[in-house]
Amino acid sequence: GNSVTQMEGPVTLSEEAFLTINCTYTATGYPSLFWYVQYPGEGLQLLLKATKADDKGSNKGFEATYRKETTSFHLEKGSVQVSDSAVYFCALSEVAGGTSYGKLTFGQGTILTVHP
Amino acid sequence: KAGVTQTPRYLIKTRGQQVTLSCSPISGHRSVSWYQQTPGQGLQFLFEYFSETQRNKGNFPGRFSGRQFSNSRSEMNVSTLELGDSALYLCASRVGLADTYEQYFGPGTRLTVT
Repeated sequence: GNSVTQMEGPVTLSEEAFLTINCTYTATGYPSLFWYVQYPGEGLQLLLKATKADDKGSNKGFEATYRKETTSFHLEKGSVQVSDSAVYFCALSEVAGGTSYGKLTFGQGTILTVHP
Repeated sequence: KAGVTQTPRYLIKTRGQQVTLSCSPISGHRSVSWYQQTPGQGLQFLFEYFSETQRNKGNFPGRFSGRQFSNSRSEMNVSTLELGDSALYLCASRVGLADTYEQYFGPGTRLTVT
């Protein structure tokens, strides 16, 4: 079946540091890939997505590129802020014939803490 | 436009009881999915409904069930509650089934089983 593996956390950084959170996946077919963020006490917010190989998703300074050859979708940000402190989830959904199955398969989440 | 709303936000139940959680999707969204989030198992897919039909189901026992109404609102029911059912239950909605439609999540219902 499908699976998503994220780097072990937690990750602690100083403000303005460079962030990388690794994500690799196993899937049949050609999944869509996502990064979601969860702030304390809240639900998940979509951060960015990519639907085909070599696509780059970007939002709020975060970027991730869909690498089919390495089955990876690593999240990066050049300069993190204290407000970026949250839990980050990598996820995939199966796609067949342009239709996405509603099931998202998530990684275990990576806790990011940014200190001033 | 209002986001996905879930009620109640917090719930405390006793083992053996049953519980019903409600989810109102974003206006115009016809698909609703449910997820369970626990510290041990992470985020796991429960089921998806589209046009009042269950379209996909995760690996959960039959005690977990759901339905969707004609206005796209959805309910999830858990019968004979167990301690292990304590979790954050998240609902997500999307416009339709095309892969370009992303899922928008609600704030969740925190269920505690004692």
